[in-house]
Amino acid sequence: SQTIHQWPATLVQPVGSPLSLECTVEGTSNPNLYWYRQAAGRGLQLLFYSVGIGQISSEVPQNLSASRPQDRQFILSSKKLLLSDSGFYLCAWSGTALDTQYFGPGTRLTVL
Amino acid sequence: DQQVKQNSPSLSVQEGRISILNCDYTNSMFDYFLWYKKYPAEGPTFLISISSIKDKNEDGRFTVFLNKSAKHLSLHIVPSQPGDSAVYFCAARGMGNAGNMLTFGGGTRLMVKP
Repeated sequence: SQTIHQWPATLVQPVGSPLSLECTVEGTSNPNLYWYRQAAGRGLQLLFYSVGIGQISSEVPQNLSASRPQDRQFILSSKKLLLSDSGFYLCAWSGTALDTQYFGPGTRLTVL
Repeated sequence: DQQVKQNSPSLSVQEGRISILNCDYTNSMFDYFLWYKKYPAEGPTFLISISSIKDKNEDGRFTVFLNKSAKHLSLHIVPSQPGDSAVYFCAARGMGNAGNMLTFGGGTRLMVKP
């Protein structure tokens, strides 16, 4: 069966510091991968998605970036965090374009 | 421009009664709809989905209804249980969307009282 992991589970970072969140999927090949953010009291906003290694599409302009160095690894990064980057970050995967997306456990990021 | 809207931010229901969560969309190109359930500090869990060629899909206590002409879908939970208390998100996928992108509503917090 497929599983999706995210780490760290929680993170507190000062403004201006870098960020690296990691997501890995097991039990599947060539998944579609997604990064979402849920700000406090709001819905899920798609940040990035990837249909293959090295292929990243960005949905919203921001100071975040994403990379997919391996088939089942998706990384969310920032060079300098802003206060507004605080939120709950979710990674998700799906198989083919017709498949349901399945979410990881999330990372709670607090920028102080 | 929010293409998927959940106009009720919260809903309170008595245990054993029916919970009805609503979702409206504006994009007529959406062809597949999903409901996710989310507990605090956890990732959303897939609940149930419906294709635009159907108007109803049932799975145990959960039923999703789709009214294409009204661009409206709803999730019925019956009977409601305290463990159903969570935030529910509806999501829609558009025909031909690259990468299977989903557009999510803002969520409805369901509270089931014992």
